[in-house]
Amino acid sequence: AQTVTQSQPEMSVQEAETVTLSCTYDTSESDYYLFWYKQPPSRQMILVIRQEAYKQQNATENRFSVNFQKAAKSFSLKISDSQLGDAAMYFCASKFSGGGADGLTFGKGTHLIIQP
Amino acid sequence: AAGVIQSPRHLIKEKRETATLKCYPIPRHDTVYWYQQGPGQDPQFLISFYEKMQSDKGSIPDRFSAQQFSDYHSELNMSSLELGDSALYFCASSSETSGVYEQYFGPGTRLTVT
Repeated sequence: AQTVTQSQPEMSVQEAETVTLSCTYDTSESDYYLFWYKQPPSRQMILVIRQEAYKQQNATENRFSVNFQKAAKSFSLKISDSQLGDAAMYFCASKFSGGGADGLTFGKGTHLIIQP
Repeated sequence: AAGVIQSPRHLIKEKRETATLKCYPIPRHDTVYWYQQGPGQDPQFLISFYEKMQSDKGSIPDRFSAQQFSDYHSELNMSSLELGDSALYFCASSSETSGVYEQYFGPGTRLTVT
């Protein structure tokens, strides 16, 4: 079975500090895509960052970056200079195929709290 | 930029009734996905369509059906509703043809079954 695991149900960080959210996955596929989604209290699902498995370079989007370790099947999200607006549930997700309209497999989520 | 549109945003139904949820993908996106998110849960994939053909199927109950129309909008039909169907239903879209594999989510339809 292809799975996504987030082992941190909740994380807390001081405003302006850096926090890292962990995610591991299991798949036998060689070509797949990994994503981090943010879900604030409004419940809207917002795409934060994506990573193609065939790319060795870690993706970066402004204050958000990933540490993708393909051999270890690890995909962590680092948020730098945390802001109050970053408070949300963060879901790690994967599209376990290179192409085709396959559904995403999500982890259970990490609730991120930003302390002022 | 245009986003995924879902209607209605809120829906209240009684047990054993039927419900129809609608989804309008981002313009030029050819693929639609449906997800169900229960309270305190992660989203669960239900079904997807590419170019109006069913593409992938997840944990969709037999009481549910869906289709994608010629203008690429999609509808999720839910019959014999049960209390456990109360959830947030998301539609997402992507452009498989353009190689845009990330899925962009709509605001969701909150279904309450009483």
